Amino acid sequence: AQSVTQLGSHVSVSEGALVLLRCNYSSSVPPYLFWYVQYPNQGLQLLLKYTTGATLVKGINGFEAEFKKSETSFHLTKPSAHMSDAAEYFCAASLGGGYNKLIFGAGTRLAVHP
Amino acid sequence: SAVISQKPSRDICQRGTSLTIQCQVDSQVTMMFWYRQQPGQSLTLIATANQGSEATYESGFVIDKFPISRPNLTFSTLTVSNMSPEDSSIYLCSVDGGELVGKYAKNIQYFGAGTRLSVL
Repeated sequence: AQSVTQLGSHVSVSEGALVLLRCNYSSSVPPYLFWYVQYPNQGLQLLLKYTTGATLVKGINGFEAEFKKSETSFHLTKPSAHMSDAAEYFCAASLGGGYNKLIFGAGTRLAVHP
Repeated sequence: SAVISQKPSRDICQRGTSLTIQCQVDSQVTMMFWYRQQPGQSLTLIATANQGSEATYESGFVIDKFPISRPNLTFSTLTVSNMSPEDSSIYLCSVDGGELVGKYAKNIQYFGAGTRLSVL
């Protein structure tokens, strides 16, 4: 069965520091992978996605993620955190190809302090 | 940018009543989804709604409790019936463009802002 695990329910970084949010998936076939961000009292916004092709994908707001099949991982990074990055981040996976059900990780709350 | 509107944005309801949530999208889409996000938790898929067919419910969710309509390619409703305090959650609509040529891509879900429901 497909599952998504996010390591660390809370991550705290200093402004300007590297952001690393971890995501591992379990799937019998390589899934489509997504990172979404949820700001307080808002819906989910798509940060970036991996479907096929280049394994390093760049998203909005300076975020990027790398699909590593051998490690079944899709970690999200940003070189320099900004105060506005404070939010909840969700990793999600689907099998694509018309089977579009999204499986979400538990989420990671990112705090950015001065 | 994506324009997926949900109404109401929030509501406070009494136990035993029902609430219908609307989801309107600005371009035709094949698939619409309804999720529940309980306080402090992740998202759980309630059902998938394709136009012209019955909604497909996930394990643990039933049509009598969460009836869904999908009358056309840009609109869907979710009703939360006979509410109890345990139904207090955020309910989110999402869309996938599917095979339709339009604003929304295939195999990617775009979300509305959600409906924040509190049941007293």
